[in-house]
Amino acid sequence: DTEVTQTPKHLVMGMTNKKSLKCEQHMGHRAMYWYKQKAKKPPELMFVYSYEKLSINESVPSRFSPECPNSSLLNLHLHALQPEDSALYLCASSLPSGGYSEQYFGPGTRLTVT
Amino acid sequence: ELKVEQNPLFLSMQEGKNYTIYCNYSTTSDRLYWYRQDPGKSLESLFVLLSNGAVKQEGRLMASLDTKARLSTLHITAAVHDLSATYFCAVVTGNQFYFGTGTSLTVIP
Repeated sequence: DTEVTQTPKHLVMGMTNKKSLKCEQHMGHRAMYWYKQKAKKPPELMFVYSYEKLSINESVPSRFSPECPNSSLLNLHLHALQPEDSALYLCASSLPSGGYSEQYFGPGTRLTVT
Repeated sequence: ELKVEQNPLFLSMQEGKNYTIYCNYSTTSDRLYWYRQDPGKSLESLFVLLSNGAVKQEGRLMASLDTKARLSTLHITAAVHDLSATYFCAVVTGNQFYFGTGTSLTVIP
């Protein structure tokens, strides 16, 4: 099973709402990632978890709060977002560094902030 | 910070023609990946290149890596319309993936 799943597929939220994005994989990967992708741009790394610990935070605003409850799950909690946060949010997973590791992407959550 | 540049950014080519996309990066890296992305979709892994001189081929696409020149190429042979998509290279250090700017490919019948 080489699948990363993400829910929801689409999300529309107001600037005062609180919502969460969810990501799940059952490939035994111990590195999980959140990316943000604007139209016609490359993915921008937001967070990396390695062995359920936050290892990289690319200076992301505090209105985005990641959580890794266990080795298979990754959440992204959203609060007080701005319209410019509208984007495709991609989750990915891989084996940790130190050797060959392919990175698998989920289908993404299309977020619109109104 | 590691920088990854691709060229061209946009490529329009006729069916049946050959072309090469280039990916240059600024510092040493563990490995290099190529991805394909269709409009509105997620990224699909195409190739993983692990060492200097590595060459991988799948169908009409062939990728190569020259770590001394810090250059990877994605060669398209006899293009077909189904190859129309955006192609990204990504250079990896540790757990961090640095993506190139992307090349938007349109194959014209």
